[in-house]
Amino acid sequence: SSELTQDPAVSVALGQTVRITCQGDSLRNFYASWYQQKPGQAPILVFYGENNRPSGIPDRFSGSSSGNTASLTITGAQAEDEADYYCNSRDSSGDHLVEFGGGTKLTVL
Amino acid sequence: QVQLRESGPGLVKPSQTLSLTCTVSGGSISSGDFYWTWVRQPPGKGLEWIGYIYHSGNTYYNPSLKSRATISVDTSKNHFSLRLNSVTAADTALYYCARDCSGGSCHSSTYTFDIWGQGTVVTVSS
Repeated sequence: SSELTQDPAVSVALGQTVRITCQGDSLRNFYASWYQQKPGQAPILVFYGENNRPSGIPDRFSGSSSGNTASLTITGAQAEDEADYYCNSRDSSGDHLVEFGGGTKLTVL
Repeated sequence: QVQLRESGPGLVKPSQTLSLTCTVSGGSISSGDFYWTWVRQPPGKGLEWIGYIYHSGNTYYNPSLKSRATISVDTSKNHFSLRLNSVTAADTALYYCARDCSGGSCHSSTYTFDIWGQGTVVTVSS
């Protein structure tokens, strides 16, 4: 089982703002990376670190972190943002181990 | 730009060994400070990290796989591979290879998978 906890499902009205969270002890020491996965497609990186958005990712995607919680915020959600979102970080022990959150299914209403 | 592509049998019998290869194109597997990774996704479920390898050969694995996994790299062929032995139906999944850029171009404090293959489905069944 994952030690990074995500809400299984979140919904947002078109054009509104939504925050997707990821909780875990490792996040007290390490930032999270965030991935978007649409049905039948491979995940894509949408945000990572303190404040990094890969080239080509819309600026409506942003990230933040506080305590043991990392958040991915979509400001002005679009229909094409409907997808599964996963966080990942290092294992809380600090060893060379990778953790993924269980994923959040975002529905845009 | 760098692209990854998985290849291997789509069907493996229980108790046998699953073997997959990830071919890197558009760049050298030996250049830069990247870790080359395998991730899988069982049907209808989330992502599970399997392990990763550095081009020098250093490897790290998910302890939950109980030493069944082996990742190797062939720099001359610009690819890296996964072997998972003693497979069961629980190993049926979509298998992805990915590049971790945290020590390289991303300079991230955590694992950051910036490039993914398209994935390959592996079914374990007799």
